Amino acid sequence: TQLLEQSPQFLSIQEGENLTVYCNSSSVFSSLQWYRQEPGEGPVLLVTVVTGGEVKKLKRLTFQFGDARKDSSLHITAAQPGDTGLYLCAGNGKIIFGKGTRLHILP
Amino acid sequence: EPEVTQTPSHQVTQMGQEVILRCVPISNHLYFYWYRQILGQKVEFLVSFYNNEISEKSEIFDDQFSVERPDGSNFTLKIRSTKLEDSAMYFCASSEGTGAYEQYFGPGTRLTVT
Repeated sequence: TQLLEQSPQFLSIQEGENLTVYCNSSSVFSSLQWYRQEPGEGPVLLVTVVTGGEVKKLKRLTFQFGDARKDSSLHITAAQPGDTGLYLCAGNGKIIFGKGTRLHILP
Repeated sequence: EPEVTQTPSHQVTQMGQEVILRCVPISNHLYFYWYRQILGQKVEFLVSFYNNEISEKSEIFDDQFSVERPDGSNFTLKIRSTKLEDSAMYFCASSEGTGAYEQYFGPGTRLTVT
């Protein structure tokens, strides 16, 4: 069974700080996607990473896919209150979602 | 910008009743999906649909569930006899293709079974 483990489960930091959240699996995925979900809404796609070792940037967000395509990380530079939300990673192939990291940025 | 829409936004039904959740996927997308998210838990895959048939389904998608694309725009999820544990947010998604193609999610339907 393919599983995606996300860590930490919760993270609360001050505005302006940097942070990294992780998505790990023992399985290889053809691609990984990162989503952000607001309460009562559907997940909104942030990025898809496909190639092992790939790095993608989306403004202050940097996404990396592990060389072995089993893990991914999301790094946020100078976090803003607007970054608050639930960050989900999802793997293609079996369309598996992780439980998410709930991020809260304190002003 | 094209988006996936879902109706209703909230559905309340009594245990044992049938419900139909509706979705309008993005118009040029060929693959359609249903997911559910029980309150406080992770998003779970239910079913994928392509070329008018189910391409993959999870263990959750038992005989109580069915999907249909009744016309060129709608994609529906039917639950024949709802149970209390069916209470959840149900999300529809669509994509142009499979594999690395992004899935775009609708805003969800909150189903409450009483």
